[in-house]
Amino acid sequence: GESVGLHLPTLSVQEGDNSIINCAYSNSASDYFIWYKQESGKGPQFIIDIRSNMDKRQGQRVTVLLNKTVKHLSLQIAATQPGDSAVYFCAENTRSPRDTGRRALTFGSGTRLQVQP
Amino acid sequence: DTGVSQNPRHKITKRGQNVTFRCDPISEHNRLYWYRQTLGQGPEFLTYFQNEAQLEKSRLLSDRFSAERPKGSFSTLEIQRTEQGDSAMYLCASSPTRQGTTGELFFGEGSRLTVL
Repeated sequence: GESVGLHLPTLSVQEGDNSIINCAYSNSASDYFIWYKQESGKGPQFIIDIRSNMDKRQGQRVTVLLNKTVKHLSLQIAATQPGDSAVYFCAENTRSPRDTGRRALTFGSGTRLQVQP
Repeated sequence: DTGVSQNPRHKITKRGQNVTFRCDPISEHNRLYWYRQTLGQGPEFLTYFQNEAQLEKSRLLSDRFSAERPKGSFSTLEIQRTEQGDSAMYLCASSPTRQGTTGELFFGEGSRLTVL
């Protein structure tokens, strides 16, 4: 079936460097994408989102890029800090086929970001 | 704290026992979701409520699982006759329904189940 996947399971960067986390998706019906951060023992925390009619969106130290042509999503973190160490999930959001109003949030398996001091 | 609240945070039980988890969503959110997450994986959708109505259930939700949201506020997820394969983090999330709402879900800290 269609799914969301990630290229790398673990990414190690030096403190202060920029981080790039990649994600591939295959559901052409997806119209909205979200990046979540999950620290150990905690629930996923929203970072940034992007609609399919956009190709770039910036937040505080984070940028999400969407390339619909190749169905690729990336999360860029500027000046990575130790507090950024976590697992990052991309998720694609499509309407439930049963038209219940549910937004079906499908998660990938995650990339672990390790920030070295 | 007005976020999504889940309890217990941790539950260790023996195979065959029943367990129940509770979720208190953000008060103005009428949509509530249960997800399951195993180690190294992303959360997987289990079931969805809009107010008190359970509108969708995943194939992952076997007949040993039941979820309720009787008054459209808090929800419970019960697992009967637990199996070792039920060991996972059970996440609750909520979201509002209003025009222009994006798909963001607000997650709780989760309830970790260990079945011995």
